[in-house]
This record gives sequence, C-alpha cells and structure tokens, in this order.
Amino acid sequence: EVQLVESGGGLIQPGGSRRLSCAASGFTVSSKYMNWVRQAPGKGLEWVSVIYSDGRTYYADSVKGRFTISRDNSKNTLYLQMNSLRAEDTAVYYCARNNGDYDQGYHFDCWGQGTLVLVSS
Amino acid sequence: SSEVTQDPAVSVALGQTVRMTCQGDSLRNYYASWYQQKPGQAPVLVIYGKNNRPSGIPDRFSGSNSGNTASLTITGAQAEDEADYYCASRDRSGDHWVFGGGTKLTVL
Repeated sequence: EVQLVESGGGLIQPGGSRRLSCAASGFTVSSKYMNWVRQAPGKGLEWVSVIYSDGRTYYADSVKGRFTISRDNSKNTLYLQMNSLRAEDTAVYYCARNNGDYDQGYHFDCWGQGTLVLVSS
Repeated sequence: SSEVTQDPAVSVALGQTVRMTCQGDSLRNYYASWYQQKPGQAPVLVIYGKNNRPSGIPDRFSGSNSGNTASLTITGAQAEDEADYYCASRDRSGDHWVFGGGTKLTVL
C-alpha cells in the first residue's frame, strides 16, 4: 500500500528553524516527483516545493532561499528544512507524490495526513 | 497570486448537476487535476488528465478541458460531495505547480 507519513511539525518561534520529514512506503521516493504543499488555517492549498527524480529542486517564491527540499534514498524519506520562519509560514504541511506524464496528465495521487507548523512567539 | 483561478463558491440542489471551472494560461499546455478536501482531511484526487478517475472515485465525477479552462462536473450531486474543490496544474514554466484558490461546494 502506498503511504506517506509526515512528522516534525510543532510550535516554533519566528526566525527559528524546523525540519519536516515524510516517510514513504509502497514506492521509492527517488523514482517520483515529490512535493510539499501547505495550507494556512482557513485558506487554500499552496504548492511549496518539488524535488524531481533527477534531483532538480524548485520552490515557490514565498519560500525560496529559506526552505530546502531533500530526500534520503536509504530511508525512503522526503524532507523540508525550513529556516527563518515567519508567522505567515504557519500552516499544515502535506507531502504529496506526483504521478502521470504530459499525455496522461500530471497529478498528485498520494498525500500524507499533514503536519501542523505554528510559528508564533 | 494564483496562476489558475476558480470561483470561490457554488451551490447545487441534491441530485442535480454542478460544474466548477478553473482558468489559467498554463491550462493551454498542461491538464488540470482536481482535488476534493473535506474539513480536517487531506485532499483527495478525483479527476486528472483528459478525464480520468482514480479507483474508488464515483463515476458521477467527470472532467473536461477547452482552451485555458478546465471543468469538473458532478452529475447527480450527493450530500457527501459537499467539500472544497481545488484544481492544480504545472505552471507556464513547467517547473512549478500552482493550485487554484478553491471552490466551496454546498449541496442544498
């Protein structure tokens, strides 16, 4: 069974750092495009970052330079290192797997349950 | 600001048909995908590509695409379909993803 389980959320002071983890089972993270998507309280979904199977990484403008996406193939785990955290980074953070291709249509076919990051003093 | 846009809210009478739309320039190059999210739950994929439903999604959900607009249609809406619906697509660069702002569906 394909499954994603996030961890690492919590209460962090503004300016602080935190690393989120997403443990995958049922597939190999290095073979898929893996993403982080967040949702601020009462707001919509916001794409945050992707790591492609070839290792390329991309970020939303709102987090570029502060967040770093990575993976550990030996642990089959995705990470999001978050630095210089701001109140506006408060959100539930989901990891999500991309599947498909140009003809079939790219899509997020598997999501974790999410982990809450609260940035507050 | 989002590069794909959705109507904030729509309503439908029980058993009737409702269509939600998603507009954006990136949809001329990439298919949209659609997600259903209920309160306190993670999003669930309901439609992707030309008109594909993942296993377990009822066939009352369907999708279509034309130009810069993608549509999600629910034919015979049920009470359990009341939720937020989001579209997503690769952006015009192809390197990033974008989500629409979401449509809150109310089933009357």
